[in-house]
Amino acid sequence: AQKVTQAQTEISVVEKEDVTLDCVYETRDTTYYLFWYKQPPSGELVFLIRRNSFDEQNEISGRYSWNFQKSTSSFNFTITASQVVDSAVYFCALSEALDNNAGNMLTFGGGTRLMVKP
Amino acid sequence: DAGVIQSPRHEVTEMGQEVTLRCKPISGHNSLFWYRQTMMRGLELLIYFNNNVPIDDSGMPEDRFSAKMPNASFSTLKIQPSEPRDSAVYFCASRKIGGETQYFGPGTRLLVL
Repeated sequence: AQKVTQAQTEISVVEKEDVTLDCVYETRDTTYYLFWYKQPPSGELVFLIRRNSFDEQNEISGRYSWNFQKSTSSFNFTITASQVVDSAVYFCALSEALDNNAGNMLTFGGGTRLMVKP
Repeated sequence: DAGVIQSPRHEVTEMGQEVTLRCKPISGHNSLFWYRQTMMRGLELLIYFNNNVPIDDSGMPEDRFSAKMPNASFSTLKIQPSEPRDSAVYFCASRKIGGETQYFGPGTRLLVL
């Protein structure tokens, strides 16, 4: 069975601070995908990034960066120089490898609520 | 391009009434997923379809819930009769088979009184 754990339920930082959101996963699959989604106060779920299990290269997109470490089953998300607009709930999710005949249901972590104060 | 479209965005109903939630996936996407979000249980998958065919409905809470996908551009999730514990945000997501990413609609916030 797959499982995603986001141990930090809530984080509060002051604007311009760096913040790291932790994500630890469990899966028996050797091929899988990891995701981060953002849920702002308006409620929608916004896709941020996808990583496959064969690609452990870290990724940077503007102020966002992701650190994937298979050895520790972690896929952490860092926001550099946080801004008030980053305030949201962030979800880490996992799906098994795709099969042409099967869907890939997402298993979500419980989410981390990030509050960035001015 | 239009994203996943859900309607209504908000629904308030009384216990015992029938509720129908609607979803239009992204054009060209042939997998569709229904999720429910509650404070207690977080985000959980209810059912998903590939090419309009239900693949896994093990997440559907009980017989009061049913979902259909009559064609590639439309799906419904029906609750009959509704109960207060069904109050939640219901998300629809779509994906292209062969792609890896699910894209979510804005959600329907359901309140059953």
